[in-house]
Amino acid sequence: GAVVSQHPSWVICKSGTSVKIECRSLDFQATTMFWYRQFPKQSLMLMATSNEGSKATYEQGVEKDKFLINHASLTLSTLTVTSAHPEDSSFYICSAKPINGKNTGELFFGEGSRLTVL
Amino acid sequence: AQSVAQPEDQVNVAEGNPLTVKCTYSVSGNPYLFWYVQYPNRGLQFLLKYITGDNLVKGSYGFEAEFNKSQTSFHLKKPSALVSDSALYFCAVRAPRASGGATNKLIFGTGTLLAVQP
Repeated sequence: GAVVSQHPSWVICKSGTSVKIECRSLDFQATTMFWYRQFPKQSLMLMATSNEGSKATYEQGVEKDKFLINHASLTLSTLTVTSAHPEDSSFYICSAKPINGKNTGELFFGEGSRLTVL
Repeated sequence: AQSVAQPEDQVNVAEGNPLTVKCTYSVSGNPYLFWYVQYPNRGLQFLLKYITGDNLVKGSYGFEAEFNKSQTSFHLKKPSALVSDSALYFCAVRAPRASGGATNKLIFGTGTLLAVQP
């Protein structure tokens, strides 16, 4: 299957700082990537849809100024949690759907990034 | 509104016994259905999908699922459970597009924790 890489896998930061998480499709291109947030023992909540070359589309209730998304190329999307606070601590997962030969209908997920804000 | 329901928070089964993880859906139009598995602190791994064709879908690691349109269900099954199957399982549906077909946005169920006892 197609491979999606997230970095960092673990990050601990102080309250008030900003943290950037990268999501890369390693062997395919994706015009659209998705960012999810998962709380302990809960399902995935879609935060936003990242669109290559244009603005991200945010789900209702997600602060776009808090969670900055940049989809600079067909293989990279970044999520920046600005002025992080302890309540932002969570597991963030990205996913992508290939636009070319590896497109078989399903989304491919990264391994997730665990953010802990002290 | 489109939704996916997983009625069981946890399923317990003895190793070697058959397992079933239930999923029902509510979606306008033809559903695009998926099962994913998540191991602790990891991203999601694709197991199988139903888009069209045979109602019985076979996927990774010996799992299969049966699409039942009349019951709006897509239960995940395996004839003989392994301890290594213990994980969190998510059923998902792609949100339909108003003009037909489906978007790339996945709507997840709440997840079912499968515990296989030796």
